[in-house]
Amino acid sequence: DQQVKQNSPSLSVQEGRISILNCDYTNSMFDYFLWYKKYPAEGPTFLISISSIKDKNEDGRFTVFLNKSAKHLSLHIVPSQPGDSAVYFCAASVGAGSYQLTFGKGTKLSVIP
Amino acid sequence: DAGVIQSPRHEVTEMGQEVTLRCKPISGHNSLFWYRQTMMRGLELLIYFNNNVPIDDSGMPEDRFSAKMPNASFSTLKIQPSEPRDSAVYFCASSPQQGVNEKLFFGSGTQLSVL
Repeated sequence: DQQVKQNSPSLSVQEGRISILNCDYTNSMFDYFLWYKKYPAEGPTFLISISSIKDKNEDGRFTVFLNKSAKHLSLHIVPSQPGDSAVYFCAASVGAGSYQLTFGKGTKLSVIP
Repeated sequence: DAGVIQSPRHEVTEMGQEVTLRCKPISGHNSLFWYRQTMMRGLELLIYFNNNVPIDDSGMPEDRFSAKMPNASFSTLKIQPSEPRDSAVYFCASSPQQGVNEKLFFGSGTQLSVL
C-alpha cells in the first residue's frame, strides 16, 4: 500500500524547458513534504520542502506546489539543465520534526541537451 | 566532513550466507537510519537509532535482519541467512537531530546481490 505515489517512472525533457514531476499521497495526516534528488551511485540529497500551511515554495530554479484538497504535489524545474538528470523522490511526513519519512518510488528525469 | 560512509559499495553473495553492511555516520549526528531501496517498494525505512538506541525497528522485514549501533560512530546491518529477495540497495543515513526532514544525509549505499 503505497501512501506516496510517483506514477511516472521516467520523464524526458529538452534542456531549457520546464520539468514537472508529480507526486500523489493518500494519507491525509501528512503535513510536510520533501523532494530528494539522487544521482547514480550516490545517496539521495535533500532538494526542497513544503509545509501544508503553504501552497508554494521556491528555491532558485526549483518550485514545489502543494494542492492539499487533491493530495497532490509537483516539483517544477525551470529551466531544466542536463545536470538535473537524476532520480527524484517525493517524501512525506506527519509533522516537520518526525523521523519517519514515507518515500515514493522515484521518477527518473533525463534532460536532453 | 566525509559524509556518511558505507561499506562495502557492492556485495555479491550466495543464498544462505551471512551479510554484514557497515555504516559510519557523520560525526556529531545522533540519529541513524537504515533504508532499503527496491524497484517494487522504493525507499523503505528499516530501522531508526537515536543516541545509539534502536527506537523503531518496525520496518525490519524479518528476524533474519538485525541491526546494531555499538557506539556513535558505527552501525551494522546484518542479514543471516540471506535470500535472493534481499537483493537491493541499502542506504544508511544520519541526522543531527531527532526529527529529520531536510537534515537527513544519506551514504552512497551498498548494492547487495544475493544469488
